Amino acid sequence: GAGVSQSPRYKVAKRGQDVALRCDPISGHVSLFWYQQALGQGPEFLTYFQNEAQLDKSGLPSDRFFAERPEGSVSTLKIQRTQQEDSAVYLCASSGGGEAFFGQGTRLTVV
Amino acid sequence: QQQVKQSPQSLIVQKGGISIINCAYENTAFDYFPWYQQFPGKGPALLIAIRPDVSEKKEGRFTISFNKSAKQFSLHIMDSQPGDSATYFCAASKGGKSTFGDGTTLTVKP
Repeated sequence: GAGVSQSPRYKVAKRGQDVALRCDPISGHVSLFWYQQALGQGPEFLTYFQNEAQLDKSGLPSDRFFAERPEGSVSTLKIQRTQQEDSAVYLCASSGGGEAFFGQGTRLTVV
Repeated sequence: QQQVKQSPQSLIVQKGGISIINCAYENTAFDYFPWYQQFPGKGPALLIAIRPDVSEKKEGRFTISFNKSAKQFSLHIMDSQPGDSATYFCAASKGGKSTFGDGTTLTVKP
């Protein structure tokens, strides 16, 4: 595709519900990153994949957060038992070794 | 521990003026310093970036000044235009993983 595509663009979840956020990176990009952006703040690193290998998950805030990229392309960020503090924009970025390109993000609101 | 500190939080500049945003970092392992521009409802987009072996980089109206000893870097936007109104983030990166500042909301008045 022309850019990084994320879906859904908006998600409203009831507290305690599980959610799955999808990222389609730019074709051929080896590196994929997930960031969490709270309102009025800069993005914060969650996790990093190189192909299908999750090389860094140091930013995942709790064991309720899980990310996968089984075939080295599409990635899914899953949040179990959502809490209000999980409300944020979740950004995905991909890189072919140089510049990182960001998607438009998924805005998650937990009510 | 905030590893990248950005200032000011907001900035208002007249059209044609110079916008200056400053950042400071702590970890000397960072080896790549990008600036991103973000419009509402969009993801960050790379504006300009610098590596620590260079003290200045200019691309069009955008210039990064980098002071390695002080662990500080800044973005200068010359001849600021209303279309430059956006939120700007500095970042410090290592191995592709970026640590972002909290952002500066720039408003350029016509």
